Amino acid sequence: GDSVTQMEGPVTLSEEAFLTINCTYTATGYPSLFWYVQYPGEGLQLLLKATKADDKGSNKGFEATYRKETTSFHLEKGSVQVSDSAVYFCALSEGSNFGNEKLTFGTGTRLTIIP
Amino acid sequence: NAGVTQTPKFQVLKTGQSMTLQCAQDMNHEYMSWYRQDPGMGLRLIHYSVGAGITDQGEVPNGYNVSRSTTEDFPLRLLSAAPSQTSVYFCASRGGGSTEAFFGQGTRLTVV
Repeated sequence: GDSVTQMEGPVTLSEEAFLTINCTYTATGYPSLFWYVQYPGEGLQLLLKATKADDKGSNKGFEATYRKETTSFHLEKGSVQVSDSAVYFCALSEGSNFGNEKLTFGTGTRLTIIP
Repeated sequence: NAGVTQTPKFQVLKTGQSMTLQCAQDMNHEYMSWYRQDPGMGLRLIHYSVGAGITDQGEVPNGYNVSRSTTEDFPLRLLSAAPSQTSVYFCASRGGGSTEAFFGQGTRLTVV
């Protein structure tokens, strides 16, 4: 079945440091890939997505590129801020996602940015 | 613009009690889902619905029931709570033609 393997946390960085959170996946078809972010006390919010190979999703300075050859979707940001402290989830959904409600999530990576 | 609203935010139950977690969305989304979030396990799908009157099981459905009588509401029922159901529960919705799921703020349930 589908699975998502995500970099273990927690991760602690200084403000303005470079961030990478690794994510690899296993899927039988051609999944859509997502990064969700969960701020303290809140639900998950979509951060960025990519629906086909070589697509790059970007939002709020974060980027991730859909790499089919390495089955990866690593999250990167060039200069993190304290406000980026949150839990980050990598997720996939098979096929076109229409009619398929199953999002498969990684275990989440807790990121803490210190001033 | 309320989005997805879950109630209650916190609940403590005794083993064997029943309760319903409420979920409502005001975006006219066809698709709604329930997930549970446990430490070290990410989110796992409990049940989902692709429209009013249609529901199906997800990855971890045992101990939970759902129904979808309207487009807006998708309640999750625990008929006889067990300590293993202690978790944070999230409801999500998605519109047809979109890949983005919108999540509620969650319900933290403790079963003692």
